[in-house]
Amino acid sequence: QQPVQSPQAVILREGEDAVINCSSSKALYSVHWYRQKHGEAPVFLMILLKGGEQKGHEKISASFNEKKQQSSLYLTASQLSYSGTYFCGTEIMDSGYSTLTFGKGTMLLVSP
Amino acid sequence: NAGVMQNPRHLVRRRGQEARLRCSPMKGHSHVYWYRQLPEEGLKFMVYLQKENIIDESGMPKERFSAEFPKEGPSILRIQQVVRGDSAAYFCASSPVNEQFFGPGTRLTVL
Repeated sequence: QQPVQSPQAVILREGEDAVINCSSSKALYSVHWYRQKHGEAPVFLMILLKGGEQKGHEKISASFNEKKQQSSLYLTASQLSYSGTYFCGTEIMDSGYSTLTFGKGTMLLVSP
Repeated sequence: NAGVMQNPRHLVRRRGQEARLRCSPMKGHSHVYWYRQLPEEGLKFMVYLQKENIIDESGMPKERFSAEFPKEGPSILRIQQVVRGDSAAYFCASSPVNEQFFGPGTRLTVL
């Protein structure tokens, strides 16, 4: 039940926008987004819960379409520091407790 | 408030030896998760623990791998008789309720 992320990789120039998608075949309770830089730990960005939408950072926001079991991460006016691999982690409805299944990641490279 | 701590950061073992990875969750967090990450791949869930309880170990290989989170002290991921395929980065995360916060990881290399 690994969620599918798209695209696999994105190359941007500083200031451009990007959208990263995450879709699941299972009904979702929540979607979590993380960014990981090479050789470092994943860093929590935001969580989107069923029935709500939460913005974690000023120029990074996300949506959660419960009916389509999809989430999208929006990066606007990208900065060099946005480079890294973005992972979505999904929590399914019937687990009874919180465990996450992560997608394979989307690599984002922002160049000057 | 210190973040999630893991040690060692790097561990080298020869085939057949034991690897012991430690994770100290953030203060006040009672949920601990272990993940394995291979190069250029995502995080694979291994096990979810609360104090003195294994809640979900569906991602753990059936043999050689074990995990614990005792009443006192860090959570331990133990790999017995390591093989080259165990080489990976192992991350733990702790959580108060929903969000999971990751430690810096232990990079295990099996020679």
